[in-house]
Parts: sequence; C-alpha cells; structure tokens
Amino acid sequence: SAVISQKPSRDICQRGTSLTIQCQVDSQVTMMFWYRQQPGQSLTLIATANQGSEATYESGFVIDKFPISRPNLTFSTLTVSNMSPEDSSIYLCSAGQGGATNEKLFFGSGTQLSVL
Amino acid sequence: AQSVAQPEDQVNVAEGNPLTVKCTYSVSGNPYLFWYVQYPNRGLQFLLKYITGDNLVKGSYGFEAEFNKSQTSFHLKKPSALVSDSALYFCAVRDVNSGTYKYIFGTGTRLKVLA
Repeated sequence: SAVISQKPSRDICQRGTSLTIQCQVDSQVTMMFWYRQQPGQSLTLIATANQGSEATYESGFVIDKFPISRPNLTFSTLTVSNMSPEDSSIYLCSAGQGGATNEKLFFGSGTQLSVL
Repeated sequence: AQSVAQPEDQVNVAEGNPLTVKCTYSVSGNPYLFWYVQYPNRGLQFLLKYITGDNLVKGSYGFEAEFNKSQTSFHLKKPSALVSDSALYFCAVRDVNSGTYKYIFGTGTRLKVLA
C-alpha cells in the first residue's frame, strides 16, 4: 500500500493569486494523478503527472493554468494559477501501481481551496 | 470513450439489511472495474476491483461486487449493512485496451444506513 501526504489541507486565497499543492508518496509509484472534486460530487481528472516530463492534461485543463511538476517517483506538485472563484474546489492527489495484481489507486486527503 | 453511471444519488437501507449500490459502465475494450469509498473529510479508499476471473469479487469491510459482462454492470453489495458503512461510494473503470492508465469515476452514490 501507499500513504499519500498532501498539503495544504485547506486554504483560502484571493482572486488572481496562485497556490501550489504538494503531494508526497511514501513509496515509489508508477502513476500519479491530480483530480478535482466538488464537495460530494464525482472526480474529474485534471492531468497525469509524468516523471521528468510534461504532464498529460485532460480536455479543459491547460498547463498555463495548472502547471504540474513531478521531479521523481514519489513527489508531485500542482499549481492553481491566477485563481478565480470558479477554481474553488477540492483537489486530490492520487498515486498507484500498474499491473493487474497490484493495480489500485491511493488518494491523499485532499486540499480544499476557496477563492474569494 | 469510457463512461461510468451510478444511477442512484442516494441509497437508504436499514441496519442489518442487505445493500446494493449500482454501477454500469461503457468501454470499447476490456474493463478493469473498481469501487472506492469516501468517508466524511477523508480521502477515497480502495474497496475492491475486478480484473479477470471469477465474476464475484470480495473486498474490504465485507463488501463484494459482481461483474456482469452482458449487462455491463458492477454492482456493489453487502449482505448486512452497518451504520458505519454510511459514506459516499464511487465506481470507476479503466479501459485496459486504451493503452493508458486513465480512470473514469462515476458521480457517486451516498449510502445512508439507518439504525
């Protein structure tokens, strides 16, 4: 199994500022992802964080708005740039291994972001 | 394209009664199917998965799920519900033939177990 530490757990930010969320996994993992979740709703995949290369973004999400880094197998950051109230949401870091036997995702406890 | 449907926003069940949380999926290739649970103010936790083999898979906390290929369903079940099972449940699918590790989540079903 993997334990994911995500911080900050919550933040209140002003419009136009940026916030960087950190995700640390306690073991080496193949995959890391960033999701967005409105409270009590489904998860929307923002991007796949690729080690040592540019992240793979889903439709509707762009690198200028959500720059992602993954310098090694256990750490990733997501920055929410030039924030607006529409960015208020819960941001989740997820990590996992591939291969049928071990395939599953582990999740951080999330970052609850409120933009004023 | 992959998709997951959880037709019920909320399921209410009395403690001790069996519970079912429904999930149907659509993929163009072969599916890997998952159930996750989210307790209040906590991250999602893995419950169980179907990869291949026996259509009935057993997972954590006494939960099980049955893969039905003809109905493209993967319903979550438990023979006897506990109040502590009250949480938000998500079904997820990955298309194994897509060549990507992209997981699609359903909209979630809130399970409320009444004492």
